[in-house]
Amino acid sequence: NAGVTQTPKFQVLKTGQSMTLQCAQDMNHEYMSWYRQDPGMGLRLIHYSVGAGITDQGEVPNGYNVSRSTTEDFPLRLLSAAPSQTSVYFCASSTRLGNQPQHFGDGTRLSIL
Amino acid sequence: DQQVKQNSPSLSVQEGRISILNCDYTNSMFDYFLWYKKYPAEGPTFLISISSIKDKNEDGRFTVFLNKSAKHLSLHIVPSQPGDSAVYFCAASGGAGGTSYGKLTFGQGTILTVHP
Repeated sequence: NAGVTQTPKFQVLKTGQSMTLQCAQDMNHEYMSWYRQDPGMGLRLIHYSVGAGITDQGEVPNGYNVSRSTTEDFPLRLLSAAPSQTSVYFCASSTRLGNQPQHFGDGTRLSIL
Repeated sequence: DQQVKQNSPSLSVQEGRISILNCDYTNSMFDYFLWYKKYPAEGPTFLISISSIKDKNEDGRFTVFLNKSAKHLSLHIVPSQPGDSAVYFCAASGGAGGTSYGKLTFGQGTILTVHP
């Protein structure tokens, strides 16, 4: 009963490096989302997907790319990391049935030097 | 412009007493509201939700109240227990049909500490 799995749990990058944060869910959920959590600001939506092949931007999409080739996976890519992207990143999934809560992974703590 | 606000960064209560966490929102298109609980180094876990067609929803020790005219919701925990100590986030969605369920707008969070 894995739910939403995020890897890695921790990562340190240098400015300008690229990396991909992985997210996988085993609940056959249609909706998947990426959020970042910064001190005093709650969680903010980066990108989301309503199904395989369909993605859209959230509140803070700049500097991030996503794709959704399968129902299970929703990776988040940083093409050129910047210190402002230091944050804790959470992936979430939910069914498309109305009014069902999102289930969150345990997060990836990312530091960019 | 923060559409969902939790104006109390922290709350401290005694074990056995009531905890009341508050949340205000500005977007009248929100039609579904949730509370999440978060422990350190873990992801948020769903606690309770309420649809805009209701004004109260209860689940065990947790009750959420919604006042649409005031654009205000609150979470009551009775009785509070030390294990309830965590960060509580309120969140809202709505206004864009079915696809809105994949998009949540969160408040800043309130740190609840329950003392034995």
